[in-house]
Amino acid sequence: AQRVTQPEKLLSVFKGAPVELKCNYSYSGSPELFWYVQYSRQRLQLLLRHISRESIKGFTADLNKGETSFHLKKPFAQEEDSAMYYCALLPPLGAGSYQLTFGKGTKLSVIP
Amino acid sequence: ETGVTQSPTHLIKTRGQQVTLRCSSQSGHNTVSWYQQALGQGPQFIFQYYREEENGRGNFPPRFSGLQFPNYSSELNVNALELDDSALYLCASSPWAGESYEQYFGPGTRLTVT
Repeated sequence: AQRVTQPEKLLSVFKGAPVELKCNYSYSGSPELFWYVQYSRQRLQLLLRHISRESIKGFTADLNKGETSFHLKKPFAQEEDSAMYYCALLPPLGAGSYQLTFGKGTKLSVIP
Repeated sequence: ETGVTQSPTHLIKTRGQQVTLRCSSQSGHNTVSWYQQALGQGPQFIFQYYREEENGRGNFPPRFSGLQFPNYSSELNVNALELDDSALYLCASSPWAGESYEQYFGPGTRLTVT
């Protein structure tokens, strides 16, 4: 069974402080991992995927297969980063499943 | 380019009734996934449709059913509504099933069952 755990429901940080949103997953194999974000009054949207290894809006995430983690990080938080963040897992292509599994989400609040 | 749209925005139903929710996928997308998001939870996968065929199903009972039409729009039907079905129902489309990671979400339909 595939499972995604986000241990923090709410994370509050001051503007300019580093941010780390935690995500752990459970899957027997090599899944794809993603971060989705939902800003206030906007739709859920893809922020980044581990394969692309990109930095989006200053955020990065490294897949640690040993610890089965995919934490989202940003060195200096901005007020506009305040949003709901969801970690998500997708089985690898060829596994026969296209089920995207989400964690429960972490609400990030950046204090001015 | 038109985004994913869903209708209705809100609706209220009584326990035992049936409901149909609708979704129009983004232009050029042939895959639609449906999710249930209860309060304080992440979206939970219900099922996916690819080229009018069900292409995967989450842990939901058979009273949750769906359809996809030739224009790739989709419906979610829920029979014998229960109080626990109260949730936000999200529809998401992707270019094809193999790119299910990049899902474009609609605004959702808020269903309240009383």
